[in-house]
Amino acid sequence: EVQLVESGGGLGQPGGSLRLSCAASGFTFSSHSMSWVRQAPGKGLEWVSYISSSSSTIYYADSVKGRFTISRDNARNSLFLQMNSLRAEDTAVYYCARDLYYYDGSDYRSYYYMDVWGRGTTVTVSS
Amino acid sequence: DIQMTQSPSTLSASVGDRVTITCRASQSISRWLAWYQQKPGKAPKLLIYKASSLESGVPSRFSGSGSGTEFTLTISSLQPDDFATYYCQQYNSYWTFGQGTKVEIK
Repeated sequence: EVQLVESGGGLGQPGGSLRLSCAASGFTFSSHSMSWVRQAPGKGLEWVSYISSSSSTIYYADSVKGRFTISRDNARNSLFLQMNSLRAEDTAVYYCARDLYYYDGSDYRSYYYMDVWGRGTTVTVSS
Repeated sequence: DIQMTQSPSTLSASVGDRVTITCRASQSISRWLAWYQQKPGKAPKLLIYKASSLESGVPSRFSGSGSGTEFTLTISSLQPDDFATYYCQQYNSYWTFGQGTKVEIK
């Protein structure tokens, strides 16, 4: 069974740091790109960051660029999100998600969507 | 940045009703659109990808259509398990979600 389990959430101080982890099982982790998505209390979903299977390509949402760092360890089937310079608006449930892709031969691009999600870990930023 | 707008924000319906949710993109995204279902306190669940492809294990009462900037999610006969919030997501350029449509009991 494909499974993603997030951990590392908790209470963080404004300006402080937290490191989230996502443990993957039930599939070949090293073959998939991965993403982080967050959901503020009572709000919708917001994409946060993407990392390719080999870590060669990384993207961030403008709201976290320069503060958050995504990484992965394929040997340990793990995904990470280092969150620095935390702000109150970073308060949210953070989900890790596995990406699947469709290759379009007409424009030679791959298009990635999220097919499996973890249950999430809650981050609260408050003094 | 591509913006996604869903309508309505809330939808009241009864078991057995046919339900349609609309999602509009601020620019063309071809067919690179997914639909997710989310229940309170749970992770989102993929229903539809590439605008109209049904994810494995998802009941056939769910269907998606559209291309370019206009998309719809249809539930042909609403079941008790379908009361939830639904999100569209574009993946043509990075990833953007709609604001969600809550389907509630009438």
